[in-house]
Amino acid sequence: GQNIDQPTEMTATEGAIVQINCTYQTSGFNGLFWYQQHAGEAPTFLSYNVLDGLEEKGRFSSFLSRSKGYSYLLLKELQMKDSASYLCAVVDSNYQLIWGAGTKLIIKP
Amino acid sequence: DTEVTQTPKHLVMGMTNKKSLKCEQHMGHRAMYWYKQKAKKPPELMFVYSYEKLSINESVPSRFSPECPNSSLLNLHLHALQPEDSALYLCASSQDYGSSYNEQFFGPGTRLTVL
Repeated sequence: GQNIDQPTEMTATEGAIVQINCTYQTSGFNGLFWYQQHAGEAPTFLSYNVLDGLEEKGRFSSFLSRSKGYSYLLLKELQMKDSASYLCAVVDSNYQLIWGAGTKLIIKP
Repeated sequence: DTEVTQTPKHLVMGMTNKKSLKCEQHMGHRAMYWYKQKAKKPPELMFVYSYEKLSINESVPSRFSPECPNSSLLNLHLHALQPEDSALYLCASSQDYGSSYNEQFFGPGTRLTVL
């Protein structure tokens, strides 16, 4: 079967750093996406990794280890507006997106 | 234009009603998607259109009927829905379907309530 695991909820402090982990077991791998979704809104693209390593984009970075079936999203200098759900999604061998359940991130002042 | 639009934003319907959800994109994308999302759950794929042809139907009940009139438009026709069909319905588009880098652009969604 296909499985993507993320923590259900995380809490962090404004200005701090938080790492959201994602582990996956899928039938094939053709890349991994991270999306941000605010409550009641549509998901928005954050990052895409297909090769091992770290991709940095401003305050957000995403890391991938294909051999470990593992990715993380790193958010620096947290702001209140970063309170949202973060969804990990893997492109499987059929090029379909397999979604994780999402991690709700709560930022406290 | 990097936007996917959806109408209506909110819809309340009875179980005997017929209604339609509409989605539009002008990014020249050749793949369009319908997703259903329940609260605190990830999006659940319903249908995929590629080059205006239905490529994927994830065993969706026939009370949901998709239509792709042209490459920019995607409709979802609703008939005889059940209260458990109440959810956020998301439309998305991507450059194409069946490639590794397949960033999907999502519309704002239609919040559907079935009474």
